[in-house]
Amino acid sequence: DQQVKQNSPSLSVQEGRISILNCDYTNSMFDYFLWYKKYPAEGPTFLISISSIKDKNEDGRFTVFLNKSAKHLSLHIVPSQPGDSAVYFCVLGPGGSEKLVFGKGTKLTVNP
Amino acid sequence: NAGVTQTPKFRILKIGQSMTLQCAQDMNHNYMYWYRQDPGMGLKLIYYSVGAGITDKGEVPNGYNVSRSTTEDFPLRLELAAPSQTSVYFCASSRLPGQGGGYGYTFGSGTRLTVV
Repeated sequence: DQQVKQNSPSLSVQEGRISILNCDYTNSMFDYFLWYKKYPAEGPTFLISISSIKDKNEDGRFTVFLNKSAKHLSLHIVPSQPGDSAVYFCVLGPGGSEKLVFGKGTKLTVNP
Repeated sequence: NAGVTQTPKFRILKIGQSMTLQCAQDMNHNYMYWYRQDPGMGLKLIYYSVGAGITDKGEVPNGYNVSRSTTEDFPLRLELAAPSQTSVYFCASSRLPGQGGGYGYTFGSGTRLTVV
């Protein structure tokens, strides 16, 4: 039973345009939400996070939106750059737990 | 560079063999984790540790063992390797998970294991 769903395995956008990556979750117990980025042959690295008490968090070109009523999380990258090409994981953190829950990932390709 | 170091980077094992995946961190993090990533899947937690001498099972612990004798090291032991254990293994560490959004996870670069 998937607790975290990233329904798009891949996404391709043109350089300079907006990339929107989506994530749905099923359990309301999560109280913080993260995006991790992974390049080939490297471990995942933290990108941006948001707590359950907020609906938006922005860091430079990256913005994460949280819609708790819809149990939906999205990551916006604008403008997209070729160096953003990577696999992006939606990651959820249950309150009071050490155990993060990872989605399957979306492979983003930004074309020059 | 400070961080999480995993060795080896690649390994091929025969069915029934055993091996230990090494993980070391130099950030004085209390929490350490082992994840595996199968093709097209997210990362699944195998074991984790909240400090030296304390370990606990994650989502997929069968076929693995861990120990945590020091803060720095968290080896993962595979006994009687099976083809189902073919995967990429990631070790991670953190100071206080959940604190400030849990962004304190630092991952190693992974060990690609093939069991034939």
